[in-house]
This record gives sequence, structure tokens and C-alpha cells, in this order.
Amino acid sequence: DAGVTQSPTHLIKTRGQQVTLRCSPKSGHDTVSWYQQALGQGPQFIFQYYEEEERQRGNFPDRFSGHQFPNYSSELNVNALLLGDSALYLCASSRTEYEQYFGPGTRLTVT
Amino acid sequence: RKEVEQDPGPFNVPEGATVAFNCTYSNSASQSFFWYRQDCRKEPKLLMSVYSSGNEDGRFTAQLNRASQYISLLIRDSKLSDSATYLCVVKGSGAGNNRKLIWGLGTSLAVNP
Repeated sequence: DAGVTQSPTHLIKTRGQQVTLRCSPKSGHDTVSWYQQALGQGPQFIFQYYEEEERQRGNFPDRFSGHQFPNYSSELNVNALLLGDSALYLCASSRTEYEQYFGPGTRLTVT
Repeated sequence: RKEVEQDPGPFNVPEGATVAFNCTYSNSASQSFFWYRQDCRKEPKLLMSVYSSGNEDGRFTAQLNRASQYISLLIRDSKLSDSATYLCVVKGSGAGNNRKLIWGLGTSLAVNP
């Protein structure tokens, strides 16, 4: 049983560019959450998708958007990248309200 | 006051020691509580959920004190492999955004030989 997978593992972008990160949830999970984790910080909640709709959202600007597909996989899009967007982006999947399981993350560097 | 607060540490302990971490939360209506472990440059992994009656899993014991609004994690007989960051997670009650997980910044533990 494959766990949560994310792609790519590493990414380097320049300021102003746009990026798309991808996540495939654990088998049987229907809910996907995205987090941003800066070095030395705890994960910061970006948003959560369930039934292809954004169900909850943290304190992130509209530059951060997402999508969930019928197969429960999800994308995180960030527009107009800033230096401060450099972080580890974590995807977590769960079965509705149960515990979350994390993917290995995508490390984004904005130069 | 932050929604979830942890002592960042680092806690440096010798092998075999007992170490305890506390985590305080501000929302008295919070419903669910978890401890996650995160190794350096890796993703967080669920260590244990925290139940009202307290729960134990091997060398790890988690407790909840609703009156004082904190949860604790006790690690007995520390191993070198316990070195990691321990993240406290609190889930709110109610609907919508009130049910999102709130993460602490983590407590760093280093177990030394």
C-alpha cells in the first residue's frame, strides 16, 4: 500500500514565477491538506480539500490556490513567488476526520 | 498568546533518561490532540493520539489536562533513535475552520550516548 506521494521532491524557481506541486493521497483517504513549513518552524496550515472543494483555509494569500481531482489527488499552485515562499511544502492525507499522514514534502527554493 | 505553545528546547538528555514535554493550548473547546515526531528534513509522522484518560504506547505516555489546557508527552528509557523534534497538534471543535489542526513549533530532543 503506497503512502502519500509528492512531486517533485525539490524545485528551484525565481521570484515572480508560478509553481505547481502535486500530491497523491494514501489509498482509501479522501481528504488532502497542504502545509508550509519554514526551516525551524512547525507546519503552517494552507488549506484542506475534500470532495474536490476547499473545505478549510489558513492565513495564506490568494496567491496560494489548490485543486482536488476525482481520484482525490491534489495540486497546490503558488503564483507570483516571493523569496519568503521558500519552504518545505507538505501534503497530508486522511480519511475525513481521522489522523493525517504526511508525504515526504517538496522543498521549494525561490531565488 | 499563541494557539499552541511548546518549549522549543533543545532538550539534551543521556541515553536511558526520562524526559517530558508539555504543550499548552488556548482554545478550551479543542477536541482532539496529537503528538507527531519529525526527524531532520523529513515529514512529520504520527506518534500518538492523546486521549482524555491518558494513554501509553511502550516507552511513551501521553496525558491531557483539560483544566489547565495542556498535554504532555513522557519518554522513558530514552534511546538515541528518539532524537527528533516532537510536534504538538490540537484540533478545534465546531464547524469549518474551527476544526483545522493547529501545530506547535515543536520541541527538539537530542539523546546523547
